[in-house]
Amino acid sequence: AQSVTQPDIHITVSEGASLELRCNYSYGATPYLFWYVQSPGQGLQLLLKYFSGDTLVQGIKGFEAEFKRSQSSFNLRKPSVHWSDAAEYFCAVGANNAGNMLTFGGGTRLMVKP
Amino acid sequence: KAGVTQTPRYLIKTRGQQVTLSCSPISGHRSVSWYQQTPGQGLQFLFEYFSETQRNKGNFPGRFSGRQFSNSRSEMNVSTLELGDSALYLCASSKGTSEADTQYFGPGTRLTVL
Repeated sequence: AQSVTQPDIHITVSEGASLELRCNYSYGATPYLFWYVQSPGQGLQLLLKYFSGDTLVQGIKGFEAEFKRSQSSFNLRKPSVHWSDAAEYFCAVGANNAGNMLTFGGGTRLMVKP
Repeated sequence: KAGVTQTPRYLIKTRGQQVTLSCSPISGHRSVSWYQQTPGQGLQFLFEYFSETQRNKGNFPGRFSGRQFSNSRSEMNVSTLELGDSALYLCASSKGTSEADTQYFGPGTRLTVL
């Protein structure tokens, strides 16, 4: 079975600073990888996804993520954080022949200092 | 186009009661998945329905059940409620034709069991 680990429960960065959120997955084949963001009181919004091709994926709101098979990682990055990026971020993995079932990591709560 | 809608948004029930939650997917989407979100366990997959058939099921007791109608709307039911069932229940819809499909989440139903 697949699993996802997000090692950082909380991260605080200053506005304008760069950001990297870590995600490690466990899955035997090429995974389907997703990053979602959840603002307080809201559902999840997809930032980006990877399932094949170029290992550097561009998403919405200026986010990008890089799939590294050798490290089983799919870290999320943003060069300059805005106060509105404060939210909880979830990495998720899907699997072959598993329909649209996703396994989520525990999430990373991002706080942005002015 | 309209997003995923969930009703009701908030529910308060007492132990032993049962509850039914509803999810209306984006028009044209045939897959609906349900997730439970709690502070302790995070986001956990409950089940997925595609074209009125349960395609995947998570590791939850039989008290949790669901169904999907011919118009793709879905309901989930929890019988004999326990305190631990208090959670945010999220549904997500997608086309359902590929594991790489983007899933669109609704705002969730907040269930409180007293």
